[in-house]
Amino acid sequence: SQELEQSPQSLIVQEGKNLTINCTSSKTLYGLYWYKQKYGEGLIFLMMLQKGGEEKSHEKITAKLDEKKQQSSLHITASQPSHAGIYLCGADTGTASKLTFGTGTRLQVTL
Amino acid sequence: GAVVSQHPSRVICKSGTSVKIECRSLDFQATTMFWYRQFPKQSLMLMATSNEGSKATYEQGVEKDKFLINHASLTLSTLTVASAHPEDSSFYICSAGGRGFGTDTQYFGPGTRLTVL
Repeated sequence: SQELEQSPQSLIVQEGKNLTINCTSSKTLYGLYWYKQKYGEGLIFLMMLQKGGEEKSHEKITAKLDEKKQQSSLHITASQPSHAGIYLCGADTGTASKLTFGTGTRLQVTL
Repeated sequence: GAVVSQHPSRVICKSGTSVKIECRSLDFQATTMFWYRQFPKQSLMLMATSNEGSKATYEQGVEKDKFLINHASLTLSTLTVASAHPEDSSFYICSAGGRGFGTDTQYFGPGTRLTVL
């Protein structure tokens, strides 16, 4: 089965600082999704990456998928308190759109 | 993006009670929906794939007689936790959509927090 490992597990950054979260897969990724979750709430879709080397940006968040399609990174520029939450990467297993999720990264942004 | 709703958002019940959770796709038809559970400070674990008009497909280790799934229409899937016990307390999230189903991604409901006393 496919496993996803995220690093770091938790992160505390000062407002305005940049940060990067990594997601490493045990197998080649068909598709890699990034979601954000506030505690006790559902998941908010951020971005999806499919092609090796692909990079997408939305506001201050940029996600990349490496050429070998086994690792993705999520980069936040000039972090804000609104960025706080749990970031989850999810991999398309290639079977009927089922997703496997990473272990999650808990982000806190301090003033 | 597409909207998925869940009801109820929170439920507290006594041990032995059966609890039904609804998942609805509000602005698109979903032939397939997914049910996940999430324990505190842990990631989401896929429980089962709900297929409209046919039996659900359960992941290894998930008891189908305990977690009953019914996908009666293209916009509604229900998860019933039969005779719930304290160890069933968790956060249950559904999703709909995905590659091959008309959308590039899965859209998630807001989740249902189940507490069994």
